Amino acid sequence: SQQGEEDPQALSIQEGENATMNCSYKTSINNLQWYRQNSGRGLVHLILIRSNEREKHSGRLRVTLDTSKKSSSLLITASRAADTASYFCGTYTGRRALTFGSGTRLQVQP
Amino acid sequence: DGGITQSPKYLFRKEGQNVTLSCEQNLNHDAMYWYRQDPGQGLRLIYYSQIVNDFQKGDIAEGYSVSREKKESFPLTVTSAQKNPTAFYLCASQAEGNSPYKDGYTFGSGTRLTVV
Repeated sequence: SQQGEEDPQALSIQEGENATMNCSYKTSINNLQWYRQNSGRGLVHLILIRSNEREKHSGRLRVTLDTSKKSSSLLITASRAADTASYFCGTYTGRRALTFGSGTRLQVQP
Repeated sequence: DGGITQSPKYLFRKEGQNVTLSCEQNLNHDAMYWYRQDPGQGLRLIYYSQIVNDFQKGDIAEGYSVSREKKESFPLTVTSAQKNPTAFYLCASQAEGNSPYKDGYTFGSGTRLTVV
């Protein structure tokens, strides 16, 4: 799999439910970042977690990082229809530019 | 308002033509990046630049060229050598190019390029 590979590829939930998506990576990282992309738009930075952090919160977002398993998860609590988007994780892979996975497409049904 | 602007939003290219996609930022960011996104796919890095007059190839640089003559601008030229250029192109910038591990990227709204 690619560096920064998200799963599942697609996720459909009802409004009010929690959404969890995961990112796995292969090489050591300095930090890991999560982004959201609405259809046909650019990416929006959500949250950055450093390699020495285990958990970070921002509003309804909770990100965890397990460097021993080389994985991160993004939890969106109490989801809303407006959370419908694709979510990507990005990591640095030995160069000073982020590498992104293929993303998780989240559909929140009203 | 500070931001990053990509133009045009839609671009049509004929076979054999070169076209240039514009990316301008007024965020005073040092680093700028170009990514390509195919339908339902992730982003692939084309070129990136940490400082004026310097840039590096990404994973799919063949058939593309860039320049970084000004801090604010990082245009991408899609040349006729790029055989399958139809895609969504995203430009991004980041503060503190010498220390890239502090902040996230700011993305433009993208340019959708179609070969006709």
